Amino acid sequence: EDKVVQSPLSLVVHEGDTVTLNCSYEVTNFRSLLWYKQEKKAPTFLFMLTSSGIEKKSGRLSSILDKKELFSILNITATQTGDSAVYLCAPFQGAQKLVFGQGTRLTINP
Amino acid sequence: GAVVSQHPSWVICKSGTSVKIECRSLDFQATTMFWYRQFPKQSLMLMATSNEGSKATYEQGVEKDKFLINHASLTLSTLTVTSAHPEDSSFYICSARADRGRQNQPQHFGDGTRLSIL
Repeated sequence: EDKVVQSPLSLVVHEGDTVTLNCSYEVTNFRSLLWYKQEKKAPTFLFMLTSSGIEKKSGRLSSILDKKELFSILNITATQTGDSAVYLCAPFQGAQKLVFGQGTRLTINP
Repeated sequence: GAVVSQHPSWVICKSGTSVKIECRSLDFQATTMFWYRQFPKQSLMLMATSNEGSKATYEQGVEKDKFLINHASLTLSTLTVTSAHPEDSSFYICSARADRGRQNQPQHFGDGTRLSIL
């Protein structure tokens, strides 16, 4: 059975801190992995990771995939209150189906 | 680019009513759209994959006759919750994938529909 486990489930930090969110997965026919940010409504796309060991970066956010150990991490440096959200990890199972993790609820306090 | 519009954003209706939710890709064509359901503080659960011009593929445990999906064009998929009951109350989200002849393209999500059945 496909499984995606995110940790921690909840994280509260102060503005300016750096956070690391973890995602481990076991899915059949794995192709690539996506990270999404969900605030009040629907998820917004952050990264797609296909190759192992290659960091993807967007501003203060970065992410990397380890296909051998079956995990990915999402880093956020110099956090801001606007980073408060649920971060979802979703590997592809096969060509198009995404399997979502439970998410990490990140709260940034001023 | 890659904007997905979902309508309505919130529905409240009586038990036994059928409710239709629309999902449109505004600036791209999507032969495949996806319907998810999300309970409070839980993750997205895929209900079905909607394919333009053919029948939807439902996930295990999702009732086809309860959740009718129609994907009549390359930019529109609809989900109809038939004879809705309070247990159908949930947050329903659609997504679409821009088809560019490549696999594993990111899915782009609509803003979701909060359905409340009284």
